Amino acid sequence: EVQLVDSGGALVQPGGSLRLSCAASGFTFSSSAMSWVRQTAGKGLEWVSSISGSGGRTYYADSVKGRFTISRDNSNNTLFLHMNTLNADDSAVYYCAKIFGSIVSVEFDSWGQGTPVTVSS
Amino acid sequence: DIQMTQSPSSLSASVGDRVSITCRTSQSINRLLNWYQQKPGKAPRLLIYGASNLHSGVPSRFSGSGSGTDFTLTIDSLQPEDFSTYYCQQSYGSPWTFGQGTKVEI
Repeated sequence: EVQLVDSGGALVQPGGSLRLSCAASGFTFSSSAMSWVRQTAGKGLEWVSSISGSGGRTYYADSVKGRFTISRDNSNNTLFLHMNTLNADDSAVYYCAKIFGSIVSVEFDSWGQGTPVTVSS
Repeated sequence: DIQMTQSPSSLSASVGDRVSITCRTSQSINRLLNWYQQKPGKAPRLLIYGASNLHSGVPSRFSGSGSGTDFTLTIDSLQPEDFSTYYCQQSYGSPWTFGQGTKVEI
């Protein structure tokens, strides 16, 4: 059974940094492209970033490009999202999600439970 | 970016009803449209991919149709566990965008 466990969400001050993690099990992690998706009550669901199985290709939403970095450790089946220069608009529940199929035509077939990030002074 | 518009935003229905939710996209996406179900406090769950393909483990009362810019999710004989919020998402091009959601209430 596919399992994704998100962690690392916290209350952080504007301009601060945070690293989210997603521990994966139940599938061949290194063969699967992965993503981060966030959700707020106001904006709904928003794709944030994706990474190929090898980690060699990464993609970002314009809203986070240059501030967030997605990475993965295939030896430990873990996905990361490094978030810098956080602002209030980054406050959301962040989900890691497994991509079903190709990284160039993305469906999300398994999701973590979500980890909340709040950016506030 | 491809804009996604769902309608209605919410609907009231009863157990046993047939329910349809529409998703319209701002440009043609062929059949690259997916549907998710989300319950309060939980992550979304993939129901349908490629406009009409049922994801593994999803009951057959769920079905999807459409192509181009207009898509429909239909739930035949609504069950108590189906009262949730439903989202469409396009997989035609990055950024991968979602509809605003349709809440199905009792």
